[in-house]
Amino acid sequence: DGGITQSPKYLFRKEGQNVTLSCEQNLNHDAMYWYRQDPGQGLRLIYYSQIVNDFQKGDIAEGYSVSREKKESFPLTVTSAQKNPTAFYLCASSSRGQDEAFFGQGTRLTVV
Amino acid sequence: RKEVEQDPGPFNVPEGATVAFNCTYSNSASQSFFWYRQDCRKEPKLLMSVYSSGNEDGRFTAQLNRASQYISLLIRDSKLSDSATYLCVVETGFQKLVFGTGTRLLVSP
Repeated sequence: DGGITQSPKYLFRKEGQNVTLSCEQNLNHDAMYWYRQDPGQGLRLIYYSQIVNDFQKGDIAEGYSVSREKKESFPLTVTSAQKNPTAFYLCASSSRGQDEAFFGQGTRLTVV
Repeated sequence: RKEVEQDPGPFNVPEGATVAFNCTYSNSASQSFFWYRQDCRKEPKLLMSVYSSGNEDGRFTAQLNRASQYISLLIRDSKLSDSATYLCVVETGFQKLVFGTGTRLLVSP
Protein backbone atom coordinates (compact mmCIF):
# COMPACT_ATOMS: atom_id res chain seq x y z
CA ASP A 1 0.00 0.00 0.00
CA GLY A 2 1.26 3.48 -0.82
CA GLY A 3 1.50 6.01 1.93
CA ILE A 4 3.57 7.89 4.45
CA THR A 5 5.06 6.21 7.45
CA GLN A 6 6.22 8.08 10.51
CA SER A 7 8.09 6.45 13.33
CA PRO A 8 8.02 6.14 16.19
CA LYS A 9 4.44 6.93 17.13
CA TYR A 10 5.45 7.99 20.64
CA LEU A 11 8.86 9.28 21.66
CA PHE A 12 10.25 10.41 24.98
CA ARG A 13 13.34 12.56 25.17
CA LYS A 14 15.41 13.77 28.06
CA GLU A 15 16.23 17.44 28.16
CA GLY A 16 19.43 18.22 26.32
CA GLN A 17 19.22 15.29 23.96
CA ASN A 18 18.84 15.36 20.20
CA VAL A 19 16.24 13.05 18.69
CA THR A 20 15.42 12.14 15.10
CA LEU A 21 11.91 11.52 13.78
CA SER A 22 11.56 9.33 10.73
CA CYS A 23 9.33 10.02 7.72
CA GLU A 24 9.23 7.72 4.69
CA GLN A 25 6.90 7.85 1.70
CA ASN A 26 6.42 5.49 -1.23
CA LEU A 27 4.08 7.75 -3.19
CA ASN A 28 6.88 9.03 -5.43
CA HIS A 29 6.10 12.56 -4.25
CA ASP A 30 8.64 15.31 -4.81
CA ALA A 31 7.55 17.61 -1.98
CA MET A 32 7.74 16.75 1.70
CA TYR A 33 6.87 18.78 4.79
CA TRP A 34 7.25 18.78 8.55
CA TYR A 35 4.66 20.45 10.75
CA ARG A 36 4.37 20.87 14.49
CA GLN A 37 1.04 20.95 16.31
CA ASP A 38 0.58 21.98 19.92
CA PRO A 39 -2.57 21.09 21.89
CA GLY A 40 -5.57 23.04 20.63
CA GLN A 41 -3.45 24.76 17.99
CA GLY A 42 -3.08 24.59 14.23
CA LEU A 43 -0.19 23.21 12.24
CA ARG A 44 2.97 25.26 11.97
CA LEU A 45 5.48 24.63 9.21
CA ILE A 46 8.98 23.66 10.36
CA TYR A 47 10.76 22.72 7.12
CA TYR A 48 9.80 21.71 3.62
CA SER A 49 11.57 20.23 0.65
CA GLN A 50 10.60 20.32 -3.01
CA ILE A 51 13.42 18.18 -4.33
CA VAL A 52 16.19 15.88 -3.19
CA ASN A 53 19.15 17.65 -1.56
CA ASP A 54 17.21 20.88 -1.15
CA PHE A 55 14.98 22.19 1.65
CA GLN A 56 13.69 25.48 3.01
CA LYS A 57 12.95 26.78 6.47
CA GLY A 58 9.37 27.20 7.46
CA ASP A 59 7.98 29.51 10.11
CA ILE A 60 9.48 27.79 13.16
CA ALA A 61 12.75 26.17 11.99
CA GLU A 62 14.87 27.22 14.96
CA GLY A 63 16.03 24.22 16.96
CA TYR A 64 15.28 21.76 14.17
CA SER A 65 17.27 20.30 11.29
CA VAL A 66 16.39 18.12 8.30
CA SER A 67 18.00 16.29 5.42
CA ARG A 68 16.70 15.10 2.06
CA GLU A 69 19.23 12.67 0.72
CA LYS A 70 16.62 10.42 -0.85
CA LYS A 71 13.31 11.26 -2.49
CA GLU A 72 11.36 8.97 -0.18
CA SER A 73 12.89 10.07 3.12
CA PHE A 74 12.78 13.35 5.06
CA PRO A 75 13.97 12.87 8.66
CA LEU A 76 13.58 15.64 11.23
CA THR A 77 16.06 16.12 14.08
CA VAL A 78 14.86 17.96 17.15
CA THR A 79 17.98 19.41 18.72
CA SER A 80 18.68 20.48 22.28
CA ALA A 81 18.37 24.07 21.06
CA GLN A 82 14.60 23.59 20.73
CA LYS A 83 13.38 24.82 24.11
CA ASN A 84 9.82 23.50 23.99
CA PRO A 85 9.91 20.34 21.88
CA THR A 86 6.91 18.57 23.41
CA ALA A 87 4.35 18.48 20.58
CA PHE A 88 2.69 16.40 17.88
CA TYR A 89 4.88 16.24 14.76
CA LEU A 90 3.31 15.57 11.38
CA CYS A 91 5.06 14.74 8.14
CA ALA A 92 3.34 15.23 4.80
CA SER A 93 4.08 14.86 1.11
CA SER A 94 2.57 16.07 -2.14
CA SER A 95 3.32 15.46 -5.78
CA ARG A 96 4.21 19.00 -6.76
CA GLY A 97 3.83 21.14 -3.67
CA GLN A 98 0.66 22.58 -5.13
CA ASP A 99 -1.33 19.39 -4.93
CA GLU A 100 -3.06 18.01 -1.90
CA ALA A 101 -0.80 16.84 0.90
CA PHE A 102 -0.99 13.38 2.44
CA PHE A 103 -0.04 12.94 6.07
CA GLY A 104 1.62 10.31 8.15
CA GLN A 105 0.02 9.34 11.45
CA GLY A 106 2.32 11.62 13.40
CA THR A 107 4.85 11.31 16.21
CA ARG A 108 4.06 12.51 19.72
CA LEU A 109 7.25 13.77 21.31
CA THR A 110 7.44 14.33 25.05
CA VAL A 111 10.36 15.76 26.94
CA VAL A 112 10.82 14.12 30.33
CA ARG B 1 -0.75 39.80 8.92
CA LYS B 2 -0.78 36.01 9.07
CA GLU B 3 -0.50 34.14 5.78
CA VAL B 4 -3.68 32.18 6.50
CA GLU B 5 -6.31 33.09 9.10
CA GLN B 6 -9.32 31.25 10.44
CA ASP B 7 -11.81 31.83 13.22
CA PRO B 8 -10.90 29.16 15.81
CA GLY B 9 -14.49 28.77 17.01
CA PRO B 10 -15.84 26.59 18.44
CA PHE B 11 -18.98 26.64 16.37
CA ASN B 12 -21.73 24.87 18.31
CA VAL B 13 -24.63 23.83 16.07
CA PRO B 14 -27.54 21.39 16.36
CA GLU B 15 -27.91 18.43 14.05
CA GLY B 16 -29.41 19.42 10.74
CA ALA B 17 -28.08 22.98 10.84
CA THR B 18 -26.12 24.67 8.10
CA VAL B 19 -22.76 26.13 9.10
CA ALA B 20 -20.16 28.09 7.17
CA PHE B 21 -16.49 28.77 7.79
CA ASN B 22 -14.29 31.34 6.13
CA CYS B 23 -10.54 31.49 5.75
CA THR B 24 -8.56 34.49 4.54
CA TYR B 25 -5.14 34.44 2.93
CA SER B 26 -2.61 37.20 2.36
CA ASN B 27 -0.72 36.17 -0.80
CA SER B 28 -2.68 37.16 -3.89
CA ALA B 29 -0.45 34.88 -5.99
CA SER B 30 -1.65 31.73 -4.19
CA GLN B 31 -2.84 29.10 -6.63
CA SER B 32 -3.99 26.09 -4.63
CA PHE B 33 -6.48 25.87 -1.80
CA PHE B 34 -7.80 23.00 0.28
CA TRP B 35 -10.01 22.15 3.22
CA TYR B 36 -8.83 19.41 5.58
CA ARG B 37 -10.60 17.74 8.45
CA GLN B 38 -8.77 16.75 11.62
CA ASP B 39 -10.22 14.56 14.34
CA CYS B 40 -8.87 14.71 17.86
CA ARG B 41 -5.29 13.38 18.11
CA LYS B 42 -5.30 12.24 14.48
CA GLU B 43 -3.58 13.43 11.34
CA PRO B 44 -5.43 15.84 9.00
CA LYS B 45 -7.22 14.33 6.03
CA LEU B 46 -8.26 16.03 2.83
CA LEU B 47 -11.91 17.02 2.77
CA MET B 48 -11.91 18.80 -0.56
CA SER B 49 -9.91 20.95 -2.90
CA VAL B 50 -11.18 24.43 -3.67
CA TYR B 51 -11.43 25.44 -7.31
CA SER B 52 -12.01 28.85 -8.82
CA SER B 53 -15.44 27.76 -9.99
CA GLY B 54 -16.34 26.35 -6.59
CA ASN B 55 -17.03 22.72 -5.92
CA GLU B 56 -19.57 20.60 -4.12
CA ASP B 57 -19.34 17.15 -2.60
CA GLY B 58 -22.59 15.97 -1.08
CA ARG B 59 -23.37 18.20 1.88
CA PHE B 60 -20.13 20.14 1.55
CA THR B 61 -19.56 23.15 -0.70
CA ALA B 62 -16.28 25.03 -1.05
CA GLN B 63 -15.84 28.39 -2.73
CA LEU B 64 -12.97 30.70 -3.57
CA ASN B 65 -13.17 34.48 -3.72
CA ARG B 66 -9.94 35.74 -5.23
CA ALA B 67 -10.93 39.40 -5.16
CA SER B 68 -11.39 39.34 -1.38
CA GLN B 69 -8.81 36.59 -0.83
CA TYR B 70 -10.85 34.12 1.11
CA ILE B 71 -12.13 30.60 0.80
CA SER B 72 -15.25 29.23 2.41
CA LEU B 73 -16.68 25.89 3.44
CA LEU B 74 -20.41 25.32 3.80
CA ILE B 75 -21.77 22.24 5.55
CA ARG B 76 -25.47 21.53 5.12
CA ASP B 77 -27.60 19.20 7.26
CA SER B 78 -24.88 18.82 9.91
CA LYS B 79 -24.34 15.36 11.37
CA LEU B 80 -22.89 14.42 14.75
CA SER B 81 -20.01 12.85 12.82
CA ASP B 82 -19.12 16.23 11.35
CA SER B 83 -17.74 17.29 14.72
CA ALA B 84 -14.05 17.93 14.09
CA THR B 85 -11.58 20.69 13.39
CA TYR B 86 -11.59 22.06 9.85
CA LEU B 87 -8.30 23.39 8.53
CA CYS B 88 -7.88 25.56 5.49
CA VAL B 89 -4.67 25.18 3.54
CA VAL B 90 -3.17 27.61 1.07
CA GLU B 91 -0.21 27.26 -1.22
CA THR B 92 1.45 30.59 -0.49
CA GLY B 93 4.07 30.61 -3.21
CA PHE B 94 7.29 28.67 -3.77
CA GLN B 95 5.17 25.53 -3.33
CA LYS B 96 4.82 26.13 0.39
CA LEU B 97 1.63 24.78 1.96
CA VAL B 98 0.48 26.80 4.97
CA PHE B 99 -2.30 25.70 7.30
CA GLY B 100 -4.72 27.90 9.14
CA THR B 101 -5.14 27.34 12.87
CA GLY B 102 -8.37 25.45 12.28
CA THR B 103 -12.01 25.98 13.13
CA ARG B 104 -13.56 23.64 15.64
CA LEU B 105 -17.08 22.41 14.93
CA LEU B 106 -19.27 20.75 17.56
CA VAL B 107 -22.56 19.28 16.36
CA SER B 108 -24.99 18.41 19.14
CA PRO B 109 -28.10 16.19 19.13
